[in-house]
Parts: sequence; C-alpha cells; structure tokens
Amino acid sequence: EAGVAQSPRYKIIEKRQSVAFWCNPISGHATLYWYQQILGQGPKLLIQFQNNGVVDDSQLPKDRFSAERLKGVDSTLKIQPAKLEDSAVYLCASSLSAGALGTQYFGPGTRLLVL
Amino acid sequence: AQTVTQSQPEMSVQEAETVTLSCTYDTSENNYYLFWYKQPPSRQMILVIRQEAYKQQNATENRFSVNFQKAAKSFSLKISDSQLGDTAMYFCAFMKHVEYGNKLVFGAGTILRVKS
Repeated sequence: EAGVAQSPRYKIIEKRQSVAFWCNPISGHATLYWYQQILGQGPKLLIQFQNNGVVDDSQLPKDRFSAERLKGVDSTLKIQPAKLEDSAVYLCASSLSAGALGTQYFGPGTRLLVL
Repeated sequence: AQTVTQSQPEMSVQEAETVTLSCTYDTSENNYYLFWYKQPPSRQMILVIRQEAYKQQNATENRFSVNFQKAAKSFSLKISDSQLGDTAMYFCAFMKHVEYGNKLVFGAGTILRVKS
C-alpha cells in the first residue's frame, strides 16, 4: 500500500514570495490534514478536510495561508506572501475516517526555508 | 485548550536496556485518546501506541508499553530491549473524543538516542 506522498521535499524561497505544497493521501482515505512543524516543536494542525470540505481551520493564518482539496483526493497548501516565521516542515497526513479512532498516517513532509 | 508537556528534551539509552519517556497533559475532557508517535531522522511520523482514556488497562505493543495515570494526567512510554532503530524523536499527543475534527495536539518531543 502506497503511503502519503508529498512534494516538493525541500523548498527555499525569499520572504514575500509565494510557495505551494502538494499532498496525495493514501487511496480511500477521506480525511486529510496539514500540520506545521517548527524546529524544536511538535506539529500543529493547520487545516483538516473531510472529503473536500473543511472540518477545522481554526489555526490556519488565513491572511496568507490557503488550502484546497478539490475532488476530495489530493490537496495543495499555499503560502502567499511568505514570512520568515513560516520556515518549518509542513506535514500532510491522512486517515480512513474522521473519528477519533482513525489512525493518522503521515507523509515525509516538505521542509520550507524562508530567507 | 489542551496542552501536552514532555519535560525531557533528550534522552539516551544503551542498546538492550529499558528507557521511559515522560508525558503529562492538561485537559478538562473526560473522554479522549493519547498517542505516542515516533519520528526517525527521515521525518516520516509513525504511530507507536494508542491509549483510550476510558480503558484502565495500559496499552502494549511488543516492546512498547505505556503507564497511563488518568488522575495524574500522566502518560509515559516504556521501551524495553532498546534497539538502534529506536533512535528517533518521540512525540506524545492528545486527541479529544469527537465524531469529527480529530485534531492531534502534540508535545514538543523527546529525542531518544540508542547507543551501541
């Protein structure tokens, strides 16, 4: 079974530029999550999708971050414009269901460095 | 809001020995789930073990076991017979029991180094 795929693996941009990350969840997984992991901290949920609908985006900085999951499969996370503090690893995860027992499977992450 | 605290930034253990990683959490919820995740240097996060708060029995998965103390809001992970492949960052995480919106709240992590 293929795992969660993410691209690119690494990205370096200058502040005020735009960047987009892509995630393809495990086949059949209805729930998709984007987490931000700043160096030295645990991951923090940015947004959760159930199929193509948003379940929780309470911690997404909506003035600069946006995410979509068209067709309820793969997803893109965009930052526009990027700030220095956005330097982090962006993790995508998916689960079969949105219930509490839906084990979340994580992708390898995209490491973003904003200069 | 829930918070998760891991007070040990780094730990090391000799191969084949036992090590315990600590985790405490703060919540007013009665129904919830606790997890330990492992993140090796390759950065792919993997679920190690899960505990349902309504279960009194401590969860066990092969060499991994937990000591869940609900009243003390403590959830430690014991790794027996440590192996070199156990070297990783370990995160303790909390999840409320809800039908939708199963957000994981993570601690800051503990780096575990297994030495040969």
